[in-house]
Amino acid sequence: AQSVTQLGSHVSVSEGALVLLRCNYSSSVPPYLFWYVQYPNQGLQLLLKYTTGATLVKGINGFEAEFKKSETSFHLTKPSAHMSDAAEYFCAVSENSGYSTLTFGKGTMLLVSP
Amino acid sequence: EAGVAQSPRYKIIEKRQSVAFWCNPISGHATLYWYQQILGQGPKLLIQFQNNGVVDDSQLPKDRFSAERLKGVDSTLKIQPAKLEDSAVYLCASSLEAANTEAFFGQGTRLTVV
Repeated sequence: AQSVTQLGSHVSVSEGALVLLRCNYSSSVPPYLFWYVQYPNQGLQLLLKYTTGATLVKGINGFEAEFKKSETSFHLTKPSAHMSDAAEYFCAVSENSGYSTLTFGKGTMLLVSP
Repeated sequence: EAGVAQSPRYKIIEKRQSVAFWCNPISGHATLYWYQQILGQGPKLLIQFQNNGVVDDSQLPKDRFSAERLKGVDSTLKIQPAKLEDSAVYLCASSLEAANTEAFFGQGTRLTVV
């Protein structure tokens, strides 16, 4: 069975500061890893994903994440926060096989102050 | 390219009533998902279709929830009878194929059961 743990239900940063959202996963097989963003009253939008190859993945809006197998982590970062980054962020995992489905973490709300 | 369409956006019903949600996936997407997102939690998969066949409905409360995708395109999710704990956002998503491809999400239907 696969699972995702996101540390911190809320993270607050100042505009221009580093954003770090933590995600740890468990999976019995090599995982595929995703970060989604959800703005109020909207569906989820894919930020980035790791499938195979390079462990540092770049996504939209300046976000990136690094797959660290030894730490079973896939933390999301952005060097400089912008007010428009305020949203809820979900880490998700799927198994690298057949009809695997996404298992989501509980989400982290990112708050950005001026 | 049109996204995943869902209707209605909002629905308020009394407990023990029935309700139905509709989803039109992105054209050509074989895989369709229904997720339940309770406030403060990540989305939880209810059912996954591959064309018009069910791939995974292990977390669907089958005593009250049902879903169909008769022609392998549109899908409906029904709850009968509704309980207070069914209050949630119901998200529909679609992908080109099962597993490891990006899932595109609709805006969701927010259900309130009173």
